[in-house]
Amino acid sequence: NAGVMQNPRHLVRRRGQEARLRCSPMKGHSHVYWYRQLPEEGLKFMVYLQKENIIDESGMPKERFSAEFPKEGPSILRIQQVVRGDSAAYFCASSPNRQTAGNTIYFGEGSWLTVV
Amino acid sequence: DAKTTQPPSMDCAEGRAANLPCNHSTISGNEYVYWYRQIHSQGPQYIIHGLKNNETNEMASLIITEDRKSSTLILPHATLRDTAVYYCISSGNTPLVFGKGTRLSVIA
Repeated sequence: NAGVMQNPRHLVRRRGQEARLRCSPMKGHSHVYWYRQLPEEGLKFMVYLQKENIIDESGMPKERFSAEFPKEGPSILRIQQVVRGDSAAYFCASSPNRQTAGNTIYFGEGSWLTVV
Repeated sequence: DAKTTQPPSMDCAEGRAANLPCNHSTISGNEYVYWYRQIHSQGPQYIIHGLKNNETNEMASLIITEDRKSSTLILPHATLRDTAVYYCISSGNTPLVFGKGTRLSVIA
């Protein structure tokens, strides 16, 4: 079984451009989570989505960041007008069911965004 | 904020057991204890989780105290490839919150 697939693995953007990060969950998983890891820091939760529905976006920055998980296709994390502070590793995770006690989520290998 | 406390770093000799402690004194009744690890430049890898009973799988063992206020992850025979940051997380119905973890260095 394929794991959580993220692409691109590495992305370089100039300040002011847009970055789009894609995540395909594990087969049979319908819930996706996005985390961000700044250099030398821990993982920070950003957003939790089910297909066509945002369940928890309490960790998303208020501006420039958005996420979607359409009925067909991968989940997309979109960062508009990137700034140097957006340079980080962005990890996607998935689970088969809604986040409840005892559920396990599985992570992809991450997308490394560098803003120059 | 993370609800667990872990030592920032530990060393372990190759081939010996690595015992990683975690305090979760405010854990509530429906919250599980999860362990993940992150090898440099890779995504977090699930290791094990438990509620109140001890658990074992092919990677590790999880020992949870009777009062559930602390736990220990045991890697029975550490190898150099086990060098990583290990995260202990207590969580119920909300997305996992990662703390700073323990940086385990396995030394030859």
